[in-house]
Amino acid sequence: AQTVTQSQPEMSVQEAETVTLSCTYDTSESNYYLFWYKQPPSRQMILVIRQEAYKQQNATENRFSVNFQKAAKSFSLKISDSQLGDTAMYFCAFLRGNRDDKIIFGKGTRLHILP
Amino acid sequence: SQTIHQWPATLVQPVGSPLSLECTVEGTSNPNLYWYRQAAGRGLQLLFYSVGIGQISSEVPQNLSASRPQDRQFILSSKKLLLSDSGFYLCAWSRAVEQYFGPGTRLTVT
Repeated sequence: AQTVTQSQPEMSVQEAETVTLSCTYDTSESNYYLFWYKQPPSRQMILVIRQEAYKQQNATENRFSVNFQKAAKSFSLKISDSQLGDTAMYFCAFLRGNRDDKIIFGKGTRLHILP
Repeated sequence: SQTIHQWPATLVQPVGSPLSLECTVEGTSNPNLYWYRQAAGRGLQLLFYSVGIGQISSEVPQNLSASRPQDRQFILSSKKLLLSDSGFYLCAWSRAVEQYFGPGTRLTVT
């Protein structure tokens, strides 16, 4: 069975700093997808970034980028020039290569951006 | 563009009362639909998912049930609420790979 582990329950950084959130996963699949979701205090879940396992290039979305290490089964999220609006719970998630399958979510990392 | 609606946004119900939460998706067809529950400060627990009308898979045996009477409508129900049913309920849809979430319903059982 697939598992997703986020080892940092909570983190705090100063505004404008760079922060990296860790995520590891366990799978025997070769075709899969990885995601980072953000849940701000409003509790609306927002997709931040997506990575396909077959792509070697790390995904990037503006200030958000990932470090995807397939052999190590590691998928970390880097937030550059952090802003107060980045304060949220961040969930790492895994999906096997079948759209009818279920996404497996990690337990989340609560990130505080300090002014 | 696609949008997902959930209602009500907030609900306070006494123990033993029935429950009906509704989720609808606009702008797409034949989506996969999901119900999640999130306890305060906790992760997401998948409750039900559906890949088509009338097709419901249950992840957690409990006093909740789900139905999909129309292609883009997903309903979460209970005949008798328990205190432990309190939480934040999220509906989500997917058409390809990513899941997109609704705004959620905060349920408090008193």
